[in-house]
Amino acid sequence: DAGITQSPRHKVTETGTPVTLRCHQTENHRYMYWYRQDPGHGLRLIHYSYGVKDTDKGEVSDGYSVSRSKTEDFLLTLESATSSQTSVYFCAISESEGAGNTIYFGEGSWLTVV
Amino acid sequence: AQSVTQLGSHVSVSEGALVLLRCNYSSSVPPYLFWYVQYPNQGLQLLLKYTSAATLVKGINGFEAEFKKSETSFHLTKPSAHMSDAAEYFCAVRETGANNLFFGTGTRLTVIP
Repeated sequence: DAGITQSPRHKVTETGTPVTLRCHQTENHRYMYWYRQDPGHGLRLIHYSYGVKDTDKGEVSDGYSVSRSKTEDFLLTLESATSSQTSVYFCAISESEGAGNTIYFGEGSWLTVV
Repeated sequence: AQSVTQLGSHVSVSEGALVLLRCNYSSSVPPYLFWYVQYPNQGLQLLLKYTSAATLVKGINGFEAEFKKSETSFHLTKPSAHMSDAAEYFCAVRETGANNLFFGTGTRLTVIP
């Protein structure tokens, strides 16, 4: 158990509505990440954070924004959800920036956009 | 640029048989390599990682992987499959100085009784 809690775990929403997914960690790790998982694509990075209020884009960031106002919380927002954003979203954390450091994953949030 | 190729999206083995899941990587600098396992409706759990120490890496649940630079491979093996090994397995690469893990597309392992 990596001390990561994602909420909500499951959500169905309508196209065009805003959606926020929350990630909460109890490990006090500096780095936090949001990935999405889709069949045939593995996991792809959406955004990551390297400290409070410090964030950067990943490879599939279009249509998503993030915020980190506290070390323990990292929010992912879909401003206007589209069907292509139906996916499983994983939050992850890492203690430091070293490439050999393990990235630990949460249990996932299943989002369906109808 | 870094990338990972996992050969075979589905692999089936009999219980007790050898498990071999293939992973080849592309990286312009010495990479760090990871294998994760995902059980149904769960997150990813680290099986093992290569961080430039020993080329043969032992992980949890009896799995191991060997880093072969000449073949740019990091294949995952287990001598004897167990029913509980049925899951999806992901290989991932991370370059020195990079903030991201790049994942392969995954291999679903089925264990036949």
